[in-house]
Amino acid sequence: NAGVTQTPKFRILKIGQSMTLQCTQDMNHNYMYWYRQDPGMGLKLIYYSVGAGITDKGEVPNGYNVSRSTTEDFPLRLELAAPSQTSVYFCASSGLGWDTGELFFGEGSRLTVL
Amino acid sequence: GQSLEQPSEVTAVEGAIVQINCTYQTSGFYGLSWYQQHDGGAPTFLSYNGLDGLEETGRFSSFLSRSDSYGYLLLQELQMKDSASYFCAVLHTGGFKTIFGAGTRLFVKA
Repeated sequence: NAGVTQTPKFRILKIGQSMTLQCTQDMNHNYMYWYRQDPGMGLKLIYYSVGAGITDKGEVPNGYNVSRSTTEDFPLRLELAAPSQTSVYFCASSGLGWDTGELFFGEGSRLTVL
Repeated sequence: GQSLEQPSEVTAVEGAIVQINCTYQTSGFYGLSWYQQHDGGAPTFLSYNGLDGLEETGRFSSFLSRSDSYGYLLLQELQMKDSASYFCAVLHTGGFKTIFGAGTRLFVKA
């Protein structure tokens, strides 16, 4: 069982470039989330989705966009990359039993903007 | 606004018991979760409290007091492999989003 899969695992961008971080889950979870984690810090919620076609902003949405056209996929788009977006990005999902509190995380995508 | 407070670092000896506290201020509180993260890895779920009281899962226990906006994670029989960062996280009723604290770095010494 693959769980939550993120690609790419590593990426280096130049300032001003754009890219999409891919996230897919095979657990039929309704809820999906994107977090970023700076070194030595906690996770900050960027965007989240409660189902296909529904997305909402989290704590730090500026500079990012998301879409949720299917239950499985929740891509994160970075437009006009800036050094401040250098971070590790984690995608997570949670099922209908979300009130158990458990999020399932992908392995993370390490992004460096130079 | 919302905030979660937890100690930045805790050091304990192998075989001992350690408690990591978490206090929160938020609207729309639904429950409190705990996650473990080793260096370079992804967070993994440890425990969840939706109701007041103690939840026990093997060597780990978690406690919640809604009236005090307070919870803790208790780790017993510490092992070297427990050296990691531990995060408390609030589950919100609004959109079911989960907001994380800054994390507590646990160092286990032999």
